[in-house]
Amino acid sequence: NAGVTQTPKFQVLKTGQSMTLQCAQDMNHNSMYWYRQDPGMGLRLIYYSASEGTTDKGEVPNGYNVSRLNKREFSLRLESAAPSQTSVYFCASSPGTSGVGLFGPGTRLTVL
Amino acid sequence: AQRVTQPEKLLSVFKGAPVELKCNYSYSGSPELFWYVQYSRQRLQLLLRHISRESIKGFTADLNKGETSFHLKKPFAQEEDSAMYYCALSPIAGNTGKLIFGQGTTLQVKP
Repeated sequence: NAGVTQTPKFQVLKTGQSMTLQCAQDMNHNSMYWYRQDPGMGLRLIYYSASEGTTDKGEVPNGYNVSRLNKREFSLRLESAAPSQTSVYFCASSPGTSGVGLFGPGTRLTVL
Repeated sequence: AQRVTQPEKLLSVFKGAPVELKCNYSYSGSPELFWYVQYSRQRLQLLLRHISRESIKGFTADLNKGETSFHLKKPFAQEEDSAMYYCALSPIAGNTGKLIFGQGTTLQVKP
């Protein structure tokens, strides 16, 4: 099993551009998550999907949208990127019954 | 409010010295507590969870409900322990698995 995969690994955007971060898991997990990691702030939950067909806001959802395409895939979209969205983005999945989850390798995004 | 606090941004010790990474939490209920580790430029991985009461790579952590703490300890630090450590809380046992993370502590083990 590959676990949780993310594409792309790196991305540089200009302010106002849009992009979609892709995430896929092959663990047959029900729940999937998007976090952002910023220095001194730890990881903060952006959006999550408890099960296929559902999505909910996390702590910092503004400026983002998500799509749970199917059980395997959960994408994060930035409609109009801002410099404040410069961060490392981690996707994660879990069976849904506990906090134990698998994390993806991360996407390092820079918005100029 | 639900919160996890790791008071130290950086903890620097010499190889062989004891290590204690502090974690305090605020939650009105019975949370699950975890420690995650992130080695340089790698993904986060689970190190410990309090309900398992196990020792991984020589690390242990005990949940102290009275002091609302979940400090991570190791009696003798190794250079390969150098990494970023995150304490995390799962608000409701058995729920979707959402995690609230602390700010993280960088552990630097010097030779």
